[in-house]
Amino acid sequence: DGGITQSPKYLFRKEGQNVTLSCEQNLNHDAMYWYRQDPGQGLRLIYYSQIVNDFQKGDIAEGYSVSREKKESFPLTVTSAQKNPTAFYLCASSLHRGGNGYTFGSGTRLTVV
Amino acid sequence: DAKTTQPNSMESNEEEPVHLPCNHSTISGTDYIHWYRQLPSQGPEYVIHGLTSNVNNRMASLAIAEDRKSSTLILHRATLRDAAVYYCILRDNGGATNKLIFGTGTLLAVQP
Repeated sequence: DGGITQSPKYLFRKEGQNVTLSCEQNLNHDAMYWYRQDPGQGLRLIYYSQIVNDFQKGDIAEGYSVSREKKESFPLTVTSAQKNPTAFYLCASSLHRGGNGYTFGSGTRLTVV
Repeated sequence: DAKTTQPNSMESNEEEPVHLPCNHSTISGTDYIHWYRQLPSQGPEYVIHGLTSNVNNRMASLAIAEDRKSSTLILHRATLRDAAVYYCILRDNGGATNKLIFGTGTLLAVQP
C-alpha cells in the first residue's frame, strides 16, 4: 500500500544538538511539506518542496533545514538555532497541481531534554 | 493566503447528523475548499474537498454556498470515532504553490 512514513515516532534530544527527522513517501507525489504543531494549536508550515532539488521556506523556517535529493524523501533537520524545538512534527505530500488532497504521516514527537 | 473562520468547538450526540460551518468570505475563484480532520496524536486525515458544487463521499458531504463565501461539512450520522479537530482550509489551485494553511479548526465532541 502507498503511504507516507515518518520516523522515529518519538525522539528525545539534548539541548544544543541537531536532530534529523525522516519522511519517506511511495505515492509518487511531487510535493512534500513539513509542519509543526504545538499543543492545542493548528499546524504551521516550516518548509515545502514542489520538485526534487528545490524547496521554499514556510512561515516558521528559522532554525530548520531541509533537503530534497530524491522525490521520495524530504528529511527535516532541527538545528540548535531553533529556540523552542519541542513539538509534534508532521510531514505531508501531494500532487503538485489540482485540488488534490494531502496525505499526512503519523508524526514525530520531538522533546528537548 | 485566504483565511477561514470556524467555531472553536461543537458537540453532537452519537447517531445524529453534524453540520460543521466554515466562513471564507475572501475566497478567490481558484481556491478549492478542503476539509481535514485530526484525531489526537495523529496526522490530519483528508475528508473531502470541492470547488463550486456540493460533494459527497463515503466519509461526509460538503455543501458550498452559491456565493462560495461559506461551506458546511456534514457528517450524516456521528459516531464516537468522529470526535476530532476538523479543519476547513482553502487551497489555491491557481497560485504558484498549493500549500495548505491551517487555522485552529473546530473540536468536535461526540456524546454517546
